[in-house]
Amino acid sequence: AQTVTQSQPEMSVQEAETVTLSCTYDTSESDYYLFWYKQPPSRQMILVIRQEAYKQQNATENRFSVNFQKAAKSFSLKISDSQLGDAAMYFCAYRSSYGNQFYFGTGTSLTVIP
Amino acid sequence: NAGVTQTPKFRILKIGQSMTLQCTQDMNHNYMYWYRQDPGMGLKLIYYSVGAGITDKGEVPNGYNVSRSTTEDFPLRLELAAPSQTSVYFCASSPWGLEQFFGPGTRLTVL
Repeated sequence: AQTVTQSQPEMSVQEAETVTLSCTYDTSESDYYLFWYKQPPSRQMILVIRQEAYKQQNATENRFSVNFQKAAKSFSLKISDSQLGDAAMYFCAYRSSYGNQFYFGTGTSLTVIP
Repeated sequence: NAGVTQTPKFRILKIGQSMTLQCTQDMNHNYMYWYRQDPGMGLKLIYYSVGAGITDKGEVPNGYNVSRSTTEDFPLRLELAAPSQTSVYFCASSPWGLEQFFGPGTRLTVL
């Protein structure tokens, strides 16, 4: 099984500031997908952003961007101009291109301070 | 579009009882998944399906069974419930096996 590690159980950020959530993963494969999911208090999981390993360019979705370092097996999420609605658990996930299973990290709880 | 719906939202079972968690999606997605989320943990894949009639085990399949007779439905069966199966269960679907759409979850307690 693949291992996805999120070493920051909790993070906090001031409203309108920028925060970076860390994720590392362990794989011997060269082709795979990485994801960040958001889980607000409602528990509904929502996809934030996706990165294909074969793409060198970092993915961006509005205020959300990633720093994908393939050699270091690192996949961090940057949230710019943080808003109160960004408060949630954030999960990093991995999926091989050669299989159908997803592997999730243990999550980072983000608090946004007004 | 209701998306992915799960029933029930909450359930308390006694040890040794059985139950079925229902999952339905109306997006005509081929892929469907069942996960469990234990407190303070990420999601663990129980079973998944890549189409009607096809199912496969995930990371933690023991104590569970699934079937996929239609594209829309993917029920999860718990036989002989145990306290270790206390968890929140999420169903998800995906058109191509990448972006997943999740249901609201079922909180199950086994006493």
